[in-house]
Amino acid sequence: GQQLNQSPQSMFIQEGEDVSMNCTSSSIFNTWLWYKQDPGEGPVLLIALYKAGELTSNGRLTAQFGITRKDSFLNISASIPSDVGIYFCAGQRTNAGKSTFGDGTTLTVKP
Amino acid sequence: NAGVTQTPKFRVLKTGQSMTLLCAQDMNHEYMYWYRQDPGMGLRLIHYSVGEGTTAKGEVPDGYNVSRLKKQNFLLGLESAAPSQTSVYFCASREGVSFHNEQFFGPGTRLTVL
Repeated sequence: GQQLNQSPQSMFIQEGEDVSMNCTSSSIFNTWLWYKQDPGEGPVLLIALYKAGELTSNGRLTAQFGITRKDSFLNISASIPSDVGIYFCAGQRTNAGKSTFGDGTTLTVKP
Repeated sequence: NAGVTQTPKFRVLKTGQSMTLLCAQDMNHEYMYWYRQDPGMGLRLIHYSVGEGTTAKGEVPDGYNVSRLKKQNFLLGLESAAPSQTSVYFCASREGVSFHNEQFFGPGTRLTVL
């Protein structure tokens, strides 16, 4: 199946620091999605990107859809303890909503 | 409005046993999905449905069957459970065909096969 390479696998940062994570693929996607998953829960959508080159913000979160349509990044500015969790990227090729997920970035924020 | 609910939350099976996981959504969504999540990995699509009475295979369909007899319910069946099916199973639903429609996930079912 298709693979999404998500990095880094984990991050340990101090409260207030900025965070950056990214996803790359060998093939193109028409939609890039970023999710956050808290322990024992399902993923929750943070940001959705629909056009190559698109840059979208949601509060302290900013994500971009790469020009080649094969990559995306997510930035979190001024991290806070509640940002702790696992962040997943996901790509979709068709409008059927079938998502291919990366393996996640586990974020730990030290107060 | 409960969103997406999954039953049961936890289950332990012995190899060879069968079981059915139930997903229900009260948002009148057309599309529903079953994913599995293994430790340290992202979600992988097992089967999905684009409407009542329809089902289609995802990335990892082997060993699973699904049914969508009612629009609000999507059932995932394991006919003969294997230890490799130990995982957390997530159901999701989506309003319709537009790229802009968000998938909403349930809280998951943690299945252990001994």
